[in-house]
Amino acid sequence: GDSVTQMEGPVTLSEEAFLTINCTYTATGYPSLFWYVQYPGEGLQLLLKATKADDKGSNKGFEATYRKETTSFHLEKGSVQVSDSAVYFCALSPAGNKLTFGGGTRVLVKP
Amino acid sequence: GAVVSQHPSRVICKSGTSVKIECRSLDFQATTMFWYRQFPKKSLMLMATSNEGSKATYEQGVEKDKFLINHASLTLSTLTVTSAHPEDSSFYICSLTGSDEKLFFGSGTQLSVL
Repeated sequence: GDSVTQMEGPVTLSEEAFLTINCTYTATGYPSLFWYVQYPGEGLQLLLKATKADDKGSNKGFEATYRKETTSFHLEKGSVQVSDSAVYFCALSPAGNKLTFGGGTRVLVKP
Repeated sequence: GAVVSQHPSRVICKSGTSVKIECRSLDFQATTMFWYRQFPKKSLMLMATSNEGSKATYEQGVEKDKFLINHASLTLSTLTVTSAHPEDSSFYICSLTGSDEKLFFGSGTQLSVL
């Protein structure tokens, strides 16, 4: 079945550092790919998405490119802020809203 | 602001008791609701999908008699963990979608069964 693997955290960074969270997936067909973020005490929120190969999703300075050849959707941000401290989930959906999630990566940005 | 309200955020109960978790949509009609469960350091696993007014569809390996899901209205879904045991301790999270198919998540419930 479908599965998503992302790097385990926690990832601890200093403010303005470069952030990468790796995500790879296994799926039949061509799923849509997502990154969700969960801030402390809040629900998951959609951060960005890509629906086909070579698409780049971007939002709030974060980017991720749908790489079919490497089955990856790595999340990057060039300069993180303390407010980016959260748990980040990579996910895929073959169709509709049924999502398969990775295990989540906790990111802690220190001032 | 939040569009999904999930309560309680944390619950501790004794083994053998039942626990109800509520998930409400605050400003839209949720035609489909999903319940997920997350074990420590593991992925969020889909437990079941429910459409308003019909029985929930459970994923393989999820006990429907153990995890009762009620989607009684377009704004409320409940998950009841019946006769909870320590192995049911987990993080449970709901997500809702409406007619525009945008997906919103609750903030989750941490269940600890002693």
